[in-house]
Formats: sequence, structure tokens, C-alpha cells
Amino acid sequence: AQKVTQAQTEISVVEKEDVTLDCVYETRDTTYYLFWYKQPPSGELVFLIRRNSFDEQNEISGRYSWNFQKSTSSFNFTITASQVVDSAVYFCALIEHGSGNTGKLIFGQGTTLQVKP
Amino acid sequence: SQTIHQWPATLVQPVGSPLSLECTVEGTSNPNLYWYRQAAGRGLQLLFYSVGIGQISSEVPQNLSASRPQDRQFILSSKKLLLSDSGFYLCAWTRTGQYNEKLFFGSGTQLSVL
Repeated sequence: AQKVTQAQTEISVVEKEDVTLDCVYETRDTTYYLFWYKQPPSGELVFLIRRNSFDEQNEISGRYSWNFQKSTSSFNFTITASQVVDSAVYFCALIEHGSGNTGKLIFGQGTTLQVKP
Repeated sequence: SQTIHQWPATLVQPVGSPLSLECTVEGTSNPNLYWYRQAAGRGLQLLFYSVGIGQISSEVPQNLSASRPQDRQFILSSKKLLLSDSGFYLCAWTRTGQYNEKLFFGSGTQLSVL
């Protein structure tokens, strides 16, 4: 069965520090997709990135970077030089090819990041 | 462009009262629609999904139900709310046939059952 684990419940850093949010997943499918979403205090989930299982290239988008390693079933998210506006709950999620057209996304429990000024 | 609307934003209801949360999507046709619930301090749990009008799949047995009376309308209901129904409810959509694409989420409804 598919599962996503975000072991870090809460992380607190001081502004300008780098921070890494961990995500470990389980799946039996060889084709799957991984996502990261951000949930600011307003509540709406904001899409950050999607990565398919055949593309292990790391990705960088501004201060955000993602490290996908199939060997360890991990898809970690790093924020460089964190800012107060990065304070939010971050969710890692997985969808398997075997889910068909249902689009059923399986979420981790989320990591609450607090960036202090 | 596509937009998703969800209302109300907040709701306080007594135990045993009925519930109706509505979600509509604009700018697309035949979307896949989803209801998620986020309990306080916990992750998102998929409650229902729909791949077409009148087609509802339930993921978690409970006293909630969902309906899709129109292509872009998704309703979450209950006849009698329980305390455990409190939480943050999120509606989402994705393009039909595109199971691996990102979900687009509504702004959510904070439901408090007292």
C-alpha cells in the first residue's frame, strides 16, 4: 500500500537559515508521482512541485530545491535562506499510476515550519 | 482560466444539525472532483472523489455523503453532524484523465461542531 511519511512535525528556524523538510514514501508501483504543497495560514494549498518516478534530477526554483532519491524512497525539500513568509505547513504527497483516473493523492501528515525574524 | 470556489469559509454548527458545503469549478469541463478533510494538527484525508456526474466514490466510512448534481458542482453533506466532523474541509479538482497532474484546491471551510 502507498504511504507518505513526514517525520518532522514541527521545525523552527531563524530567518536566513537553511532548512530541509524530509519526505519518505512507500509504493509498489514503478510509476508514480510525488508532490509538495504549501499551506499558508490562509488555509489554501499551493502547489510547489511535481516529480515523476523516472526523473531523479534534482530541481531548483529560486530558494527552493528538491532532492529525489529512489534508492532511499525520499523526496526532500530544502529552503535556502529562509524567510518569515516561508512559515507554513508543508505537505508531501504521492499518487500511483495504478490509481487510474481517480487522481487519489496520498498526503503525508505535514511539517509545520516556523521562521522567526 | 480555471477557478474553484468553495463556501462557506467558516461554519459553526451544533451536534445533530445538517451540513451542506458547496464547491464549484469554472473554466473547465468534466473535472475530477475531491473532498479532503484536515483534522487539527493532522494531514489531509481523502473523503470522496468523483470522476463524473452522479459518480461518487467514498474513501472513508462515516456519516458524511457527497453528491455531484452538475458537472462542475460538488456538495458535501451530512444529515446529523458529530463532534468528530469538526475540521478543515478542502475541495479540489484536476483535469479528467490526468491522474498525475497537480490538484487545484479551494480555499477551504473551517467547520466547528459544538
